[in-house]
Amino acid sequence: GENVEQHPSTLSVQEGDSAVIKCTYSDSASNYFPWYKQELGKGPQLIIDIRSNVGEKKDQRIAVTLNKTAKHFSLHITETQPEDSAVYFCAVPWGDAGGTSYGKLTFGQGTILTVHP
Amino acid sequence: NAGVTQTPKFQVLKTGQSMTLQCAQDMNHEYMSWYRQDPGMGLRLIHYSVGAGITDQGEVPNGYNVSRSTTEDFPLRLLSAAPSQTSVYFCASSGLAGEQFFGPGTRLTVL
Repeated sequence: GENVEQHPSTLSVQEGDSAVIKCTYSDSASNYFPWYKQELGKGPQLIIDIRSNVGEKKDQRIAVTLNKTAKHFSLHITETQPEDSAVYFCAVPWGDAGGTSYGKLTFGQGTILTVHP
Repeated sequence: NAGVTQTPKFQVLKTGQSMTLQCAQDMNHEYMSWYRQDPGMGLRLIHYSVGAGITDQGEVPNGYNVSRSTTEDFPLRLLSAAPSQTSVYFCASSGLAGEQFFGPGTRLTVL
């Protein structure tokens, strides 16, 4: 199956700073790269995703960058706020999904982000 | 529109007992999946379905069965619970766009 490595495992920043989380993957056929946010006691929620035909996507304070040659993609959060504190997961399609998701994902190990006021 | 719902929220079982975790979605999604989440290991795919009547194994299928008789429902069955199945279980559904919507989870403890 797909191998996904996520770093760092924990990240502590001051409010207003930027946070960057990086994931590397092994299957070059992957072409869908989502990021999920999980708050305590809840299920993961998609916050941003990118497909391999673009190198960057932004949504307000959140952005994702993709380097298909190097097989890594990163989540960037700018102007962090205390409510950004959560666990963040990257994911890639699992198995023979043909590069898309279709309901099958392999997740990274997660990053615990803490934003201090 | 409730999205993805899961029952129960919490469950304690004894080793060897069986139970079914329920999952339902009201978004008319074709794809549904079950994941388990253990500390420090992210989420791992147990079983998935690409439509009613069609299921397949994921990364960690042993000890679990699934069926998909309708588009809306995708129950997960533990036939003989083991302590290694203590985990938080998430059900998810997605359409062709790929975005997965997760339920609130079931926290299962096997003694």
